[in-house]
Amino acid sequence: DVKVTQSSRYLVKRTGEKVFLECVQDMDHENMFWYRQDPGLGLRLIYFSYDVKMKEKGDIPEGYSVSREKKERFSLILESASTNQTSMYLCASSLITNEQFFGPGTRLTVL
Amino acid sequence: DQQVKQNSPSLSVQEGRISILNCDYTNSMFDYFLWYKKYPAEGPTFLISISSIKDKNEDGRFTVFLNKSAKHLSLHIVPSQPGDSAVYFCAARPNTGNQFYFGTGTSLTVIP
Repeated sequence: DVKVTQSSRYLVKRTGEKVFLECVQDMDHENMFWYRQDPGLGLRLIYFSYDVKMKEKGDIPEGYSVSREKKERFSLILESASTNQTSMYLCASSLITNEQFFGPGTRLTVL
Repeated sequence: DQQVKQNSPSLSVQEGRISILNCDYTNSMFDYFLWYKKYPAEGPTFLISISSIKDKNEDGRFTVFLNKSAKHLSLHIVPSQPGDSAVYFCAARPNTGNQFYFGTGTSLTVIP
């Protein structure tokens, strides 16, 4: 079974802090994704990566950056957290053409 | 602009009856469609998919129908069970690129 793990299930940070969300997948998938899920807005793509050191902006990249130094790991970075970044963050991975497999999510609260 | 739309935020169905969840899309370049199921505090899990070369795909109690001319797909669950209570997302991918576009979700409640 594909396993996608995220470093934290729940996280509370203060405004202005730098926040790192880590995601690891164990199935050698090329593609990795970061989404945020908000009520009434569904899943919105922040960034995705189709190879090591490669990244593409999604629909809402502002305020975020990403890093993919190894194939299995994809990090989402909030350079200076703000209250409007309070959300559920979901990481996913996939082979090139197949469905995505999601991690359990990180509920981030920014105070 | 939302390219994949689920216009019903919620749906309630009696156990044993059929649940029909609907999804509309606007981009004619979409050629692969998926449904995901999500329980609270968990990540979405893949349920069923359909390619644009088909108009129906079935997997046990779950069937997805695709109407390309209407840019509409639907998920049928028969018979519905209380364990099916979850949020269902439809998603679509264009024939170029690896990005999936998700709808806003429909919360299904199956009443015992």
